[in-house]
Amino acid sequence: AQSVTQPDIHITVSEGASLELRCNYSYGATPYLFWYVQSPGQGLQLLLKYFSGDTLVQGIKGFEAEFKRSQSSFNLRKPSVHWSDAAEYFCAVAPHNNAGNMLTFGGGTRLMVKP
Amino acid sequence: EAGVAQSPRYKIIEKRQSVAFWCNPISGHATLYWYQQILGQGPKLLIQFQNNGVVDDSQLPKDRFSAERLKGVDSTLKIQPAKLEDSAVYLCASSFQGSDGYTFGSGTRLTVV
Repeated sequence: AQSVTQPDIHITVSEGASLELRCNYSYGATPYLFWYVQSPGQGLQLLLKYFSGDTLVQGIKGFEAEFKRSQSSFNLRKPSVHWSDAAEYFCAVAPHNNAGNMLTFGGGTRLMVKP
Repeated sequence: EAGVAQSPRYKIIEKRQSVAFWCNPISGHATLYWYQQILGQGPKLLIQFQNNGVVDDSQLPKDRFSAERLKGVDSTLKIQPAKLEDSAVYLCASSFQGSDGYTFGSGTRLTVV
């Protein structure tokens, strides 16, 4: 069965500092990979996704993620964090098949931004 | 385009009562999902529909949870009777093609007391 691990439950960074959120997955083949953000009381918004090709993926709001097959990782990065980035971030995977590609989520990382 | 609509936004019920949630997906999206998100955890898939048929309901507690999508458009999720551990946010999502990524609704926050 596929699984997703986000090792950091909470991360605090200063505004303007760089950010990296870790994500590791377990799956027999390369799955589809996603990062979502959830602000308090809101639904999940897709930041970026990886299906194939270039392993560095650009997303919205200045985020990027790098797929590393050898490490089964898909870490999310941002060079300079803004106070509005404070939220919960979820990594998710979906299998490469035609059954609808249901998502399996990690436990999330809560990002706090210090002024 | 309009997003995924869910109602109600909040619901408080006593244990052993019943409750229903409604979801209207984005027009033209054939696939609809219900997820349960317990506080502090990532969302967990409860059920997936393709048009009006069930694709996967293996994680749906069928003794108390039921869901339907009779006309292949909007969907309802019901809990009867509710337990304290059902307190969670229930998220609905839809997609046109599964690999394109989902669009999530804002969710219904259920509190069982």
